[in-house]
This record gives sequence, structure tokens and C-alpha cells, in this order.
Amino acid sequence: AQTVTQSQPEMSVQEAETVTLSCTYDTSESDYYLFWYKQPPSRQMILVIRQEAYKQQNATENRFSVNFQKAAKSFSLKISDSQLGDAAMYFCAYRNMNYGGSQGNLIFGKGTKLSVKP
Amino acid sequence: EAQVTQNPRYLITVTGKKLTVTCSQNMNHEYMSWYRQDPGLGLRQIYYSMNVEVTDKGDVPEGYKVSRKEKRNFPLILESPSPNQTSLYFCASSLNPQAHLTYERYFGPGTRLTVT
Repeated sequence: AQTVTQSQPEMSVQEAETVTLSCTYDTSESDYYLFWYKQPPSRQMILVIRQEAYKQQNATENRFSVNFQKAAKSFSLKISDSQLGDAAMYFCAYRNMNYGGSQGNLIFGKGTKLSVKP
Repeated sequence: EAQVTQNPRYLITVTGKKLTVTCSQNMNHEYMSWYRQDPGLGLRQIYYSMNVEVTDKGDVPEGYKVSRKEKRNFPLILESPSPNQTSLYFCASSLNPQAHLTYERYFGPGTRLTVT
């Protein structure tokens, strides 16, 4: 069974600085997705960034980028120029790419709470 | 606007009183699923549906039922709620997950359920 581990329950960053959130996962599959979801105080789950395992290039979305290390099964999120609105819980998630049913559901880590200091 | 809606957003109920949380999506998605979120546990899948009349258990299905009579709706039913079902519930939808490049792009706003 796949697992996702976020080892940092809480992180803090100064506004305008850069922060990196860590995520490791375990799988025997070769084709899968990795995601970072953001959950602000409103509780809405918002997709931040997605990475397909077959792509070597790290995904980037504006100030958000990932460092995907497939061999090490590591998937960290870097937030540059942090803003007050980035304060939220961040969840790393895994999904098999070519399965339906229960093998295709999202497997979430337990989350990292990010605080942004003005 | 593409969206997943859930109702109610907040619900306080008593043990044993049947309740239904509705979920609706306007994107003609085939795949819909329910997750619950508990502190320190992340999100865990309860049930999912691959299409109309096709549903199956996720990782934590005990105490829940679902139905999928229409493509757009996927209600979550608690026949006899218990306090351990107090949680934050999310509905999500996507295109057929067996299709390449599909994933839970859209989540509903969440339903906070308290069972006393």
C-alpha cells in the first residue's frame, strides 16, 4: 500500500522569504501523480501544483515549485516570496496514474501547517 | 463556473438520527468520491463512484452509505450516526480516473458534522 509522509507538522516563514515543505512517499508503482493541496482557514481544498512521475522536469506554478526526486521518493514544495495569504495547511498527496477504483484514490499526508509572519 | 457543492455546510445532530449530506457537480464528471478529514490523519476516502449506479468502498466505509442515481449527484448517507463520525467531510469529482491525466481537481467546500 502506498503511504505519504509529511515530517513537519508546522513551519513558519517570514513574509517575502522562501520556505520548503517536505514530503516523502512509498510506492512500488512507476506511473503516478503527486500533488500539493492547500487548505486555508476557509477549509476549501485547493490544488496548488501537480507532478506526473514520468516527467523529469519539476513542475512550477508561479511562486510555487517542486523538487521531485523519484529515486529518493521525495517531493518537496518550495514557496518563494511568501505572502500572508500563503498561510494554510498544506497536504502532499499521491495517486496511481492508471488505476480506477480504490487504487486510484488520493492518498494524503497528515499535513504541514504553514504560518507567515509579517 | 465549474464547481462542486455540498449541503449542508454545518450540521449538528444526535446519535442515531439518520442524515444525508448532498454533493453535486456541474462538470459532467464520471468519478465522484467522499473523503473525511480528521486532525492528524489527513484526508481518507470513504466511498467512491466510477459512474451512475457504480459505487464502491474506499478506505473507511464503515457507518456510511452512498448512492449514485444521477451523474451529477453523489449523496453521503449516515443511517445511524455516532460520535466517532464527527468530522469534516469533502466531496470531490474528476473525469474517469482510468483515463490518462485525470485526478481530483475539484473539491467541494466541506461539511462540518458534529454528532453528540
